[in-house]
Amino acid sequence: KAGVTQTPRYLIKTRGQQVTLSCSPISGHRSVSWYQQTPGQGLQFLFEYFSETQRNKGNFPGRFSGRQFSNSRSEMNVSTLELGDSALYLCASSLEGGLDTEAFFGQGTRLTVV
Amino acid sequence: AQSVAQPEDQVNVAEGNPLTVKCTYSVSGNPYLFWYVQYPNRGLQFLLKYITGDNLVKGSYGFEAEFNKSQTSFHLKKPSALVSDSALYFCAVRDNDYKLSFGAGTTVTVRA
Repeated sequence: KAGVTQTPRYLIKTRGQQVTLSCSPISGHRSVSWYQQTPGQGLQFLFEYFSETQRNKGNFPGRFSGRQFSNSRSEMNVSTLELGDSALYLCASSLEGGLDTEAFFGQGTRLTVV
Repeated sequence: AQSVAQPEDQVNVAEGNPLTVKCTYSVSGNPYLFWYVQYPNRGLQFLLKYITGDNLVKGSYGFEAEFNKSQTSFHLKKPSALVSDSALYFCAVRDNDYKLSFGAGTTVTVRA
């Protein structure tokens, strides 16, 4: 069974640009979550989608947005990039997104803003 | 909101010795607790979880964790550490709004 796939693995963007990251969950998983990982802030929750609906959102500015498609694939978009957006962005999927279900993570997209 | 704390930034052990990575939690209601491991430039790998039932949970790669309600702890353990266990370990709790809240992480170094 294929794991969570994130594309691209690495990305370099210029400040002010926008970027779209993609996540394909494990087949059959309906919940997709996104996290930002930085050395200073650790792992921070961005948002979670379940059956194409955003179910929860973290404390990030409106420049961070996402969506989920009918096949459960998800994208996140960051507009007007800032240097501080440089981070590892991790996507996780789970079967039903219940409180007791584990999430499986992709390898992440390393975004560098210059 | 639910939260977890990992009191140690780093843990160093010799190969073959027992390994313990500490985690304490703060929750309202039932705790849903998880341990993940991260190798350099990789995503997080699920190790084990506590939902309910037996306080000793067994997981992947020989790891286990002990849930202690009175001490609000969920420590990760491995009886005999390997050099390949060197990695970054995260404890996490599932909030009632479904998101995972992670601890700051503990870097484990196992020396040969």
